[in-house]
Amino acid sequence: EAQVTQNPRYLITVTGKKLTVTCSQNMNHEYMSWYRQDPGLGLRQIYYSMNVEVTDKGDVPEGYKVSRKEKRNFPLILESPSPNQTSLYFCASRQKADRSYEQYFGPGTRLTVT
Amino acid sequence: KNQVEQSPQSLIILEGKNCTLQCNYTVSPFSNLRWYKQDTGRGPVSLTIMTFSENTKSNGRYTATLDADTKQSSLHITASQLSDSASYICVVSRRSNDYKLSFGAGTTVTVRA
Repeated sequence: EAQVTQNPRYLITVTGKKLTVTCSQNMNHEYMSWYRQDPGLGLRQIYYSMNVEVTDKGDVPEGYKVSRKEKRNFPLILESPSPNQTSLYFCASRQKADRSYEQYFGPGTRLTVT
Repeated sequence: KNQVEQSPQSLIILEGKNCTLQCNYTVSPFSNLRWYKQDTGRGPVSLTIMTFSENTKSNGRYTATLDADTKQSSLHITASQLSDSASYICVVSRRSNDYKLSFGAGTTVTVRA
């Protein structure tokens, strides 16, 4: 089944404790991105990747890191999480960067930083 | 200011009734517009996509319209079902090289029996 998977689905952590949220897609998509979703706001892009080893900042990159060493994986790293990073996170992928291609979203990771 | 504004923020309808959601955007130059359905606790799933030349697109009981001149789109849900309870998100892309999508905040629809 074609899908985007994320782990963990739920995470509660404390301020300053490094964490990684994994994202994997099995559709051989070139383009992958991370979003955060907060109440009353639309999804906001954190980082995106056009292909392996090619990443760039989105609209809200502060406090986050990413890497794209393999085509299928695009982990999101929070080196020193803070309470304002409490949010619902979505990974997404599409076949190519061109926005005419369908974008597929993962199931989401709900992160709480205390 | 968000370039994609959706209204209403939320609505409640009775099962079997119709409803219409609105999306106004300022994104320019326009490339395409999508409507997504997001069930609680799940990722968004695409319902329709429309380009500049299309002014209506249907997917089952969902019908989207687009007026690119006034920069408005609507999503009409016909004969609503309990499973239509979800958030509906309007997403607009600009004809540019930044590959980004502009997301509305969504309309939460609750269908009551």
